[in-house]
Amino acid sequence: EVQLVESGGGLVQPGGSLRLSCAASGFTFSSYWMSWVRQAPGKGLEWVANIKQDGSENYYVDSVKGRFTISRDNAKNSLNLQMNNLRVEDTAVYYCARDRCSNYGCSYFYYGMGVWGQGTTVTVSS
Amino acid sequence: DIQMTQSPSSLSASVGDRVTITCRATQSISSHLNWYQRKPGKAPRLLIYAASSLMDGVPSRFSGSGSGTEFTLTISSLQPEDFATYYCQQGYRSPYTFGQGTELEIK
Repeated sequence: EVQLVESGGGLVQPGGSLRLSCAASGFTFSSYWMSWVRQAPGKGLEWVANIKQDGSENYYVDSVKGRFTISRDNAKNSLNLQMNNLRVEDTAVYYCARDRCSNYGCSYFYYGMGVWGQGTTVTVSS
Repeated sequence: DIQMTQSPSSLSASVGDRVTITCRATQSISSHLNWYQRKPGKAPRLLIYAASSLMDGVPSRFSGSGSGTEFTLTISSLQPEDFATYYCQQGYRSPYTFGQGTELEIK
């Protein structure tokens, strides 16, 4: 069964750090681009970042650039999101998701996210 | 960044109704448009990609159309399990922005 399981969420003070992880199983993790998406309370979905199969390319939404770092460990089938200098507005449920991209990469054609985890909650509050 | 705007933001309809949700982009995105369904407590589900291609297992009552800046998601005959929130997402350029969502409620 294809599965993504997030972990690492919790309560952190503004300015603090948190590292999210996503354990992948049931598919060849190293063959897929992977994304993080978040949903703040009462808000819609927001794509946060994604990373190429070999980790050589990554992209971020402007609001997290310089603060968040996406990474992956293909040997461990794991996707990570290091979140530094957290802000109250980063409070959200964070989902990892498997990207669907053309054979030439996501920049050529991005077909959405076909597999999602159940999410992990990050609360930034003093 | 490309902004996506959905209309309406909410919609009340009855079982059996035909429903259309519109998604507009601030610039042309060709056919790089995806639709998701989100039910409370569940992860989003990808319904349609590339504006009009149905994901495997998605009922044929769902359809998508459009290109450029205007797109539609149509449900031809609403079923009880279709009441959910629907999101469009552009896949033309990173960041892959979502619309604000359309909440489909039972009338």
